[in-house]
Amino acid sequence: DGGITQSPKYLFRKEGQNVTLSCEQNLNHDAMYWYRQDPGQGLRLIYYSQIVNDFQKGDIAEGYSVSREKKESFPLTVTSAQKNPTAFYLCASSGWGEQYFGPGTRLTVT
Amino acid sequence: GQQVMQIPQYQHVQEGEDFTTYCNSSTTLSNIQWYKQRPGGHPVFLIQLVKSGEVKKQKRLTFQFGEAKKNSSLHITATQTTDVGTYFCAGTGGTSYGKLTFGQGTILTVHP
Repeated sequence: DGGITQSPKYLFRKEGQNVTLSCEQNLNHDAMYWYRQDPGQGLRLIYYSQIVNDFQKGDIAEGYSVSREKKESFPLTVTSAQKNPTAFYLCASSGWGEQYFGPGTRLTVT
Repeated sequence: GQQVMQIPQYQHVQEGEDFTTYCNSSTTLSNIQWYKQRPGGHPVFLIQLVKSGEVKKQKRLTFQFGEAKKNSSLHITATQTTDVGTYFCAGTGGTSYGKLTFGQGTILTVHP
């Protein structure tokens, strides 16, 4: 089956720890995206990548980092510098036009 | 930067009533997309509008793109309980190829 996988579904971390969220796609899409979703605020773009080994900051990149070493993979690291990391994180990919979303990772930092 | 505003934030309807959500952009859009997110789920693509004044229908759903390509609407006729979820519009500006700006979404509740 073609699609996007994110793991884990739920993640719990202590404050001060970096954490990496996984995103893999087998749709052969060039572009991949990371969004953060908070209640009542819609989806906000963290980082996006349109090609391997290249990525751009989105609207809320501070405290996050990414890499794009392979076409299929676009991991997101939530660093200890992110002041309010608890949120629902969604990864997406697109070939042309519509974006396909993964199931998301719900991160809780205490 | 580009902003996309969506209203209303919440809408409660009785099953069988109609529902409309509106989307307005601060800048002219190249295209607009609509997504639906079921409770606990992830956004799923519904449709893309590209042309000025375009109207598209999917069964009970009607999508419109304004003449100035700065606003859009989604209208659902005779809502059903399966329509429950959050509806998002998302637009692409002139030079921001592939990068979508999402509205805040409209949360639709349908009472049986």
